[in-house]
Amino acid sequence: AQKITQTQPGMFVQEKEAVTLDCTYDTSDQSYGLFWYKQPSSGEMIFLIYQGSYDEQNATEGRYSLNFQKARKSANLVISASQLGDSAMYFCAMREGSVSYGGSQGNLIFGKGTKLSVKP
Amino acid sequence: EPEVTQTPSHQVTQMGQEVILRCVPISNHLYFYWYRQILGQKVEFLVSFYNNEISEKSEIFDDQFSVERPDGSNFTLKIRSTKLEDSAMYFCAKRTGTDTQYFGPGTRLTVL
Repeated sequence: AQKITQTQPGMFVQEKEAVTLDCTYDTSDQSYGLFWYKQPSSGEMIFLIYQGSYDEQNATEGRYSLNFQKARKSANLVISASQLGDSAMYFCAMREGSVSYGGSQGNLIFGKGTKLSVKP
Repeated sequence: EPEVTQTPSHQVTQMGQEVILRCVPISNHLYFYWYRQILGQKVEFLVSFYNNEISEKSEIFDDQFSVERPDGSNFTLKIRSTKLEDSAMYFCAKRTGTDTQYFGPGTRLTVL
């Protein structure tokens, strides 16, 4: 079974509108972290936003917010006021288990990504 | 926040040759990771490195791969005898104390 599922291979959005990119996850751990990364055509992986499993409020970073629904195991990324520069691949990722100094946990499991295209 | 730099940005090699990919963290962190991304596919974890030792590795990280921190700053991934299927983007990442991983710009490896 996929640990991270992104069901939208491609999405289009009109400039200045909001868009939601879907992500569902599968874990039996109580402690985990959820991440979104942006990958423009140049190839680098840019960290956008993080949500911890114990965080009660949805994470926000500027125009990015994470709609975290724990019972549904979903962590959708919302981009408000889309810009042309938002056109890119977007990856949802999960870190299972707790992270502690001296521990070995921390590696990320990625979804297959969603290609977002912003239309002028 | 400038995170890590990686060299080279692009490496072309012949099948069977050894390659060394380098990662230079800007600041001193203990936790490092290597990931790879085959063209058009998702990012896959290879290995994590903590306190100058391998702490976890995936099934992809077989005997042809090795990691080192030879001089306390550079962090290298060595692929001993490259295969065509090793062609991918290789990312180094570091983890901050807050759990977030920041990726380097990647090295695109092409095996001919």
